[in-house]
Amino acid sequence: QKEVEQNSGPLSVPEGAIASLNCTYSDRGSQSFFWYRQYSGKSPELIMFIYSNGDKEDGRFTAQLNKASQYVSLLIRDSQPSDSATYLCAVNRGQGGFKTIFGAGTRLFVKA
Amino acid sequence: EAGVAQSPRYKIIEKRQSVAFWCNPISGHATLYWYQQILGQGPKLLIQFQNNGVVDDSQLPKDRFSAERLKGVDSTLKIQPAKLEDSAVYLCASRAREQYFGPGTRLTVT
Repeated sequence: QKEVEQNSGPLSVPEGAIASLNCTYSDRGSQSFFWYRQYSGKSPELIMFIYSNGDKEDGRFTAQLNKASQYVSLLIRDSQPSDSATYLCAVNRGQGGFKTIFGAGTRLFVKA
Repeated sequence: EAGVAQSPRYKIIEKRQSVAFWCNPISGHATLYWYQQILGQGPKLLIQFQNNGVVDDSQLPKDRFSAERLKGVDSTLKIQPAKLEDSAVYLCASRAREQYFGPGTRLTVT
């Protein structure tokens, strides 16, 4: 079992729809959770982080965390073609929460 | 605030040659990471520094890879000798609470 698992996709949604990206993790001691967006040929860009159970909203993005189910998700409302990218889920664990484990990423395509 | 700086951005070498990458983290960030990202995969941690001490180098191929972080600021990652399978993007990241990446160095080994 991988420590951080994501569906590789591609996930295809029409413009204006809600894109839902999911991530599960294996270590119950994981402390903080991140979503990065990575365009082709570019480095990962931090778009959301969440530390507590529940929802966190920032503009069109909502991160959802359920520690009991070891599940974190990212919702993108009103998806735009410019949202087409690979979305990486990352989890901090270990003493002090300093070890970061990345998932392999989900490719998202938003069709105009 | 300046971001994480890396150089060079691209490097092409032949197998068995050596190569070095440089990283300057965001000012004040004590934690620095080097990752290897192969096409289609997520970043894989090679080494993590806290100030100038190594926190985790469990996935660093120590027979050919080395890294140092002098004075707890800049860091260099070296590969000697390079293999074909080392072709990847090498990402440096630094962290205060959240982690931020530099632009990466794309290495091609022929």
